[in-house]
Amino acid sequence: DGGITQSPKYLFRKEGQNVTLSCEQNLNHDAMYWYRQDPGQGLRLIYYSQIVNDFQKGDIAEGYSVSREKKESFPLTVTSAQKNPTAFYLCASNPPGQGVNQPQHFGDGTRLSIL
Amino acid sequence: DQQVKQNSPSLSVQEGRISILNCDYTNSMFDYFLWYKKYPAEGPTFLISISSIKDKNEDGRFTVFLNKSAKHLSLHIVPSQPGDSAVYFCAASPGRAGNNRKLIWGLGTSLAVNP
Repeated sequence: DGGITQSPKYLFRKEGQNVTLSCEQNLNHDAMYWYRQDPGQGLRLIYYSQIVNDFQKGDIAEGYSVSREKKESFPLTVTSAQKNPTAFYLCASNPPGQGVNQPQHFGDGTRLSIL
Repeated sequence: DQQVKQNSPSLSVQEGRISILNCDYTNSMFDYFLWYKKYPAEGPTFLISISSIKDKNEDGRFTVFLNKSAKHLSLHIVPSQPGDSAVYFCAASPGRAGNNRKLIWGLGTSLAVNP
């Protein structure tokens, strides 16, 4: 089945450590996105990528980095510079619009906690 | 400043009755609106969308109404079922139709459908 796979589902990080969250999609979608959700909050955009080897900062990019070396993969690294990394991280993708709106589809998320 | 507002954090309805979830927005440039449903520890699932050229879109038990002059949209679920119990997010997107659209999210409304 086609879909978006995020791994791991739960991740623990020690203070000062970088961690990388995986996002893989087999939907042949061009655009991919990373969001962060905090309790009682809406989704906030961290980074997004329109095509391979290209990505842009979202609203809260500080302390995060991404890469887009392959169409199907968009890993997110939470660096030690991110002072409040505990959150639920969601990856999404959507196909080319071709002039028609296309909704974003989401993975099941990774919950990151600080030890 | 919240550009997409869901003013009711929670809503409780009886099974079989209508659920009405509301969403207000402030940016008149928004031209594409979406509703997502989210269960705990899972990613949001796309429900239904509406373009600003329409005032109603229907898909089975779900209907979205858009009132552009009031900058207001609502999601109607009829009849409500216990499995509809989840958090519902309203999202909006500005600009031209196309692929890589940044979505602006509301904070969500938690719907409880009681048997």
